[in-house]
Amino acid sequence: DTGVSQNPRHKITKRGQNVTFRCDPISEHNRLYWYRQTLGQGPEFLTYFQNEAQLEKSRLLSDRFSAERPKGSFSTLEIQRTEQGDSAMYLCASSLLDPNSPLHFGNGTRLTVT
Amino acid sequence: KQEVTQIPAALSVPEGENLVLNCSFTDSAIYNLQWFRQDPGKGLTSLLLIQSSQREQTSGRLNASLDKSSGRSTLYIAASQPGDSATYLCAVRTESGGSYIPTFGRGTSLIVHP
Repeated sequence: DTGVSQNPRHKITKRGQNVTFRCDPISEHNRLYWYRQTLGQGPEFLTYFQNEAQLEKSRLLSDRFSAERPKGSFSTLEIQRTEQGDSAMYLCASSLLDPNSPLHFGNGTRLTVT
Repeated sequence: KQEVTQIPAALSVPEGENLVLNCSFTDSAIYNLQWFRQDPGKGLTSLLLIQSSQREQTSGRLNASLDKSSGRSTLYIAASQPGDSATYLCAVRTESGGSYIPTFGRGTSLIVHP
């Protein structure tokens, strides 16, 4: 069990550029969640996958955001035409299908949009 | 919509004190509640998970209790140490069309000084 892995750890980009983040969940975990966290706030839900199916999307997820989980393994989160307001920590979490199984988080990707 | 509140927002205590962190939620129809620790710039580390049918869980110096009917949980930390300094977050998992999306509070920032 190597835990949830996120890459890159840090990303600095200029406004208007596209960025993509990757999350590798714990291998047997069916559920995968993306959250966004800004300073002093708790994580805010963005989107959820069960295996390869994207089942929930938050209203926070504008049209500039897209997420995929091909083959139900790793997941990517892409932000197009980044804005300064997108600067945040992007966190990925995974769990087993049992809703009473604990959530495991990666170390996050810190995005700074200049 | 589930709302989670954590009180206090910040806490500073001398080493050795016993302390209680509070988490309240508005919708009592939860599956479980999970407590996490977050160190600066890092992801979340799971501490304890309490299922809706349980009243408390213990791990070392940590004890978490759940009163589902009143929408409250407490995290008790015994004999606090400087290494306990971190932000503590609670997350409530509620069923929503089969997705069980965890909702987070803003956290309690804890400083334990020697």
